[in-house]
This record gives sequence, structure tokens and C-alpha cells, in this order.
Amino acid sequence: SQTIHQWPATLVQPVGSPLSLECTVEGTSNPNLYWYRQAAGRGLQLLFYSVGIGQISSEVPQNLSASRPQDRQFILSSKKLLLSDSGFYLCAWAVGTQETQYFGPGTRLLVL
Amino acid sequence: KQEVTQIPAALSVPEGENLVLNCSFTDSAIYNLQWFRQDPGKGLTSLLLIQSSQREQTSGRLNASLDKSSGRSTLYIAASQPGDSATYLCAVRTFGGSNYKLTFGKGTLLTVNP
Repeated sequence: SQTIHQWPATLVQPVGSPLSLECTVEGTSNPNLYWYRQAAGRGLQLLFYSVGIGQISSEVPQNLSASRPQDRQFILSSKKLLLSDSGFYLCAWAVGTQETQYFGPGTRLLVL
Repeated sequence: KQEVTQIPAALSVPEGENLVLNCSFTDSAIYNLQWFRQDPGKGLTSLLLIQSSQREQTSGRLNASLDKSSGRSTLYIAASQPGDSATYLCAVRTFGGSNYKLTFGKGTLLTVNP
């Protein structure tokens, strides 16, 4: 069966510090991968998606970036965090772009 | 631009009651619609997925309907239980740019009281 992992579970970072969140998927090959952010009082916002190694599409201009160094690994990064980057970050995978997305447990990020 | 609205934002019911959660979307050109459940501080769990050509889907005590032309979907929960307490999210999948994308509503926070 397929599983999706995210770490860390919780992160408190100062403004201006770098960020690296990791997501890995097990039990499937060549998945579509997604990064979402869920801010208080707002719906889930798609940040990035990837259909293959090294292929990243950005949905929202911001100071975040994403990379996919391996087939089942998806990384969300920032060089300098802003207060507005605080939120709940969710990684998801799917077999295809039209199919059900399966979500990881999420990382709660608080930028102070 | 697709917008998804969920009403009510919060709902509190006694155990055993049947209930309906509502979802509406502005662009009826959807590929499919998905209902998710989110427990506090957790990720999302997919409940039901309805293709645009379907009218409804059922899973256990859950029944989701879709009226694509009017831009509406409902999630019906029968004989609610305290374990059903969670936030329920509706999301529609549309083709935009170069890919299919999910647009989420803000969710309905359901509390089932024992």
C-alpha cells in the first residue's frame, strides 16, 4: 500500500531564516506530487505541483520554491521566511492529474 | 476563476441526526468533485469522488450528490456519530492552463454531540 510522509511535523522559525520541508511517498512510482498551504480562515492553496523528476510548476508567486530530486521526494524551500509564510503545509500525491489526491499528515510552520 | 463556497461554515448536531453539508462552485465546467475530511491538525482524507457525468456516490453512511449544471453538491451523513466530528472540505477539479487542478472550499466544521 502507498504511504506519504512529511517532516517535520511542527516547525517554529524566525523571520528571515531558511526553510526546508520534505515529503516522501512510498509504494508507488512516478506519482504526481503537490504542495498546498492552509492558512487560518482560508481554503487550501496550491503552491507547486510536479509530474516528474525535476519538473516543477508554480501556482502562486512567492518566496517559496520546490524541488523534486528523486521520483518520490518533494521538497519545499525558502531562502528567507516571511511572517506571512506561517501556515499548515500539506503534501499530496496522485496517480494522475485527474485522480484522487492522497494527503500527508502536514507540517505546521510558525514564523515569528 | 473557479470559486468554491461551503455552507454552513460550522454545524453542531446531536448524535443520531441526519445532516447535509452544502458546496457550490461558480464554474460548472468541472472534471470531477471530491469530498474530504480533515481532523484537527491532520491531513485530508478522501471520502468520495464524483465524476462530472455522475449524479451521486455512496460510501457507508455517506452520500454525495452532484448537480453540475447548477454548480452544487451536497454531502449527506446518515445517523451521525461523535466520530464524524471534523472539518469537511469540498474540492472541484477543473482544467486550467496546462493541468487539472483542485480548488477547495473553506470547509464546514461539524461537531456531533453525544
